[in-house]
Amino acid sequence: DTEVTQTPKHLVMGMTNKKSLKCEQHMGHRAMYWYKQKAKKPPELMFVYSYEKLSINESVPSRFSPECPNSSLLNLHLHALQPEDSALYLCASSQFGGLLNIQYFGAGTRLSVL
Amino acid sequence: AQSVTQLGSHVSVSEGALVLLRCNYSSSVPPYLFWYVQYPNQGLQLLLKYTSAATLVKGINGFEAEFKKSETSFHLTKPSAHMSDAAEYFCAVSRRSWMNRDDKIIFGKGTRLHILP
Repeated sequence: DTEVTQTPKHLVMGMTNKKSLKCEQHMGHRAMYWYKQKAKKPPELMFVYSYEKLSINESVPSRFSPECPNSSLLNLHLHALQPEDSALYLCASSQFGGLLNIQYFGAGTRLSVL
Repeated sequence: AQSVTQLGSHVSVSEGALVLLRCNYSSSVPPYLFWYVQYPNQGLQLLLKYTSAATLVKGINGFEAEFKKSETSFHLTKPSAHMSDAAEYFCAVSRRSWMNRDDKIIFGKGTRLHILP
């Protein structure tokens, strides 16, 4: 099973709302990633967790707050987003950190901020 | 700094014809190179990766890529296109951090492959 599951698939929220994106994997992977992908653009790395610890934060605004409660679960908490934050948010996992390990991607959450 | 350039944002080939997607990289250190595919409304899937072993890398779905240091290229090919190959393809390179670790994948802008019947 090489599945990374993201919920919800679609999310519409207002600029004052608080919402969360969820990502789950049961492959025993110890590294998990959040990417943001705007339409017709490549994915951009946001955060990397390695062994449940935040190892990379690509200078993401504080209105995005990641959380890794355990080795299988990764959340992205959203608060006071802007319309320009509308995008496809992709989660990925790999056995360990480092680029020699294949990253497996979920199908993403398509977020619209009104 | 490491980067990749994908030549052609759109490529159209006939079903059964050769697929050639071009990628040139820039890196001051030996890079890791990747090709990913993204089907509509899906996440990314790794097609193949180069990690300084064999220069000709075979991937899934009949794709392969050849690392050519002299040309700083890593073009993706498939001998015979199939309708199911229609997707977005991303070439990517590893980022070497100040700690001399390869910690991040930097994606090219992508090439949309269209397959003509």
